[in-house]
Amino acid sequence: GAGVSQSPSNKVTEKGKDVELRCDPISGHTALYWYRQSLGQGLEFLIYFQGNSAPDKSGLPSDRFSAERTGGSVSTLTIQRTQQEDSAVYLCASSRLAGGVGELFFGEGSRLTVL
Amino acid sequence: RKEVEQDPGPFNVPEGATVAFNCTYSNSASQSFFWYRQDCRKEPKLLMSVYSSGNEDGRFTAQLNRASQYISLLIRDSKLSDSATYLCVVAGGSSNTGKLIFGQGTTLQVKP
Repeated sequence: GAGVSQSPSNKVTEKGKDVELRCDPISGHTALYWYRQSLGQGLEFLIYFQGNSAPDKSGLPSDRFSAERTGGSVSTLTIQRTQQEDSAVYLCASSRLAGGVGELFFGEGSRLTVL
Repeated sequence: RKEVEQDPGPFNVPEGATVAFNCTYSNSASQSFFWYRQDCRKEPKLLMSVYSSGNEDGRFTAQLNRASQYISLLIRDSKLSDSATYLCVVAGGSSNTGKLIFGQGTTLQVKP
């Protein structure tokens, strides 16, 4: 498909387990973002990748969260030792324009439930 | 203070009504502004960019007031299909031009 692809679409895990969420952006898009959205809330910025520049990690809520982007394409968001407050929809978006000042195209999200 | 703040919702309006949403932002160095729309349980999608001179797209008009750090979205002749959450998005600043911050959203419900 031509859109942003995220997997898994749903993940249920037990408290304390690690989870990995994957994002495959639109081909050729240099900017990639991760956000999370809790029920009834807005989008919370997590991290932003732009080309080969160092990522902006200023939104990561704790050191249990990390993300990487390999080869300027696929990105993985890892949450270690999950807590119940980590339950949310994790949204990935990509953008073509440098600096991300252009249209963001979102994936359908990965819904994480921590029991 | 949140970086981007929006009117609390929900807004319940009849079809044909005109409705306005407001948004304020805290970083005076912000460079780019957008409105996104999010339908229930769906991902956000770009509605329109917001330019300094103000811009219009059909029934939708966006305004920017840099002095007051204020953005607005006006929807005229509301349709049932306009029911959604509208997200104000602010990008840029002196050191983070690519970082896009979303407001918490304002929910619009258009009723017959």
